[in-house]
Amino acid sequence: DADVTQTPRNRITKTGKRIMLECSQTKGHDRMYWYRQDPGLGLRLIYYSFDVKDINKGEISDGYSVSRQAQAKFSLSLESAIPNQTALYFCATRGPGNTIYFGEGSWLTVV
Amino acid sequence: GDSVTQMEGPVTLSEEAFLTINCTYTATGYPSLFWYVQYPGEGLQLLLKATKADDKGSNKGFEATYRKETTSFHLEKGSVQVSDSAVYFCALSRPNFGNEKLTFGTGTRLTIIP
Repeated sequence: DADVTQTPRNRITKTGKRIMLECSQTKGHDRMYWYRQDPGLGLRLIYYSFDVKDINKGEISDGYSVSRQAQAKFSLSLESAIPNQTALYFCATRGPGNTIYFGEGSWLTVV
Repeated sequence: GDSVTQMEGPVTLSEEAFLTINCTYTATGYPSLFWYVQYPGEGLQLLLKATKADDKGSNKGFEATYRKETTSFHLEKGSVQVSDSAVYFCALSRPNFGNEKLTFGTGTRLTIIP
């Protein structure tokens, strides 16, 4: 089983709809992250969390919100999805030695 | 701000060829440097890392040396295999930024043909 699990793996949604991407981890790490990947742009940080009471904006947080429901769970929401939020989204955790562990990704298409 | 520049792909090589994927960076201080690999349909996996100048990271036959004088962290492998086909990302993080942000390059798609 994967250490960092994302659901759904694929989703198509309509403009203006609310969508939530969920992430859970079994590694026991405190720090969790949401990134988005776009062709030609690499990965960009959306939000990160040090623990359940500490959430911080990344470089591209506009249009997104997050919730850290527990140490193991970190969800990303698009309150009103727009087409330029079509991307591959990755959840990640930080472990010893500053190693980042990524989930398998969630493909989101906004039509 | 921080940035990572890596060679554009796609790169196509024959099996057993020598591989180099160039990566250079811009950052203040002494960043940690990483190579991540993304196999088809999967998330990113840490391939190797180096945390200080002249360190050499290695894993699965891949190597990269942290060169502060040239601000580079080029990825090399002496003999590639078909199973090495993937997208490779160079990345950095800066300790004095709390290491919270990984800055990624745009990725290089590598295809190995038998």
